[in-house]
Amino acid sequence: AQTVTQSQPEMSVQEAETVTLSCTYDTSESDYYLFWYKQPPSRQMILVIRQEAYKQQNATENRFSVNFQKAAKSFSLKISDSQLGDAAMYFCAYSLTGTASKLTFGTGTRLQVTL
Amino acid sequence: EAGVAQSPRYKIIEKRQSVAFWCNPISGHATLYWYQQILGQGPKLLIQFQNNGVVDDSQLPKDRFSAERLKGVDSTLKIQPAKLEDSAVYLCASSQPDRGVGYTFGSGTRLTVV
Repeated sequence: AQTVTQSQPEMSVQEAETVTLSCTYDTSESDYYLFWYKQPPSRQMILVIRQEAYKQQNATENRFSVNFQKAAKSFSLKISDSQLGDAAMYFCAYSLTGTASKLTFGTGTRLQVTL
Repeated sequence: EAGVAQSPRYKIIEKRQSVAFWCNPISGHATLYWYQQILGQGPKLLIQFQNNGVVDDSQLPKDRFSAERLKGVDSTLKIQPAKLEDSAVYLCASSQPDRGVGYTFGSGTRLTVV
């Protein structure tokens, strides 16, 4: 079974600084997807970034980028120029490829952004 | 494009009572998921539908939880009777049946069992 581990329950960053959230996963599959989701107090899961395992290039989305290390099964999220609106719970998630595969989530990291 | 709609937003019930949650997915999304998110944990899949058929319900406590998706559109998740440990946020999501993209989540129902 696939598992996702987030070892940082809470992280704090100053506004305009950079922070990295860690995630490791376990799978025997070679093709899969990895995601970072943001969950604000409104509870709705918002997709931050997605990485396809067969792609070697790390995904980027504006201020958000990932460091995907397939051999190490590591998938960290870097947030640059942090903003107050980035404060939320962040979940790392995994899914198999193919039609309609479920998401397996980590336990989350609460990110605080301070002035 | 309208999002995934869920109701109610909050529900408080006593243990041993029953409760139902409703989800309306994005139009055209064939796959619908119900996740349970206990405080301090990540969401856990309860049940997955493809159109109106069940794909995965291995983590659904079938002695008390039931779900249906009539006509492959709306879905209802029911708990009867509720236990204290069922207190959680119940998230509904839908997706397009293609390569791993297009998961859209609703805002969830926060259930408190007292």
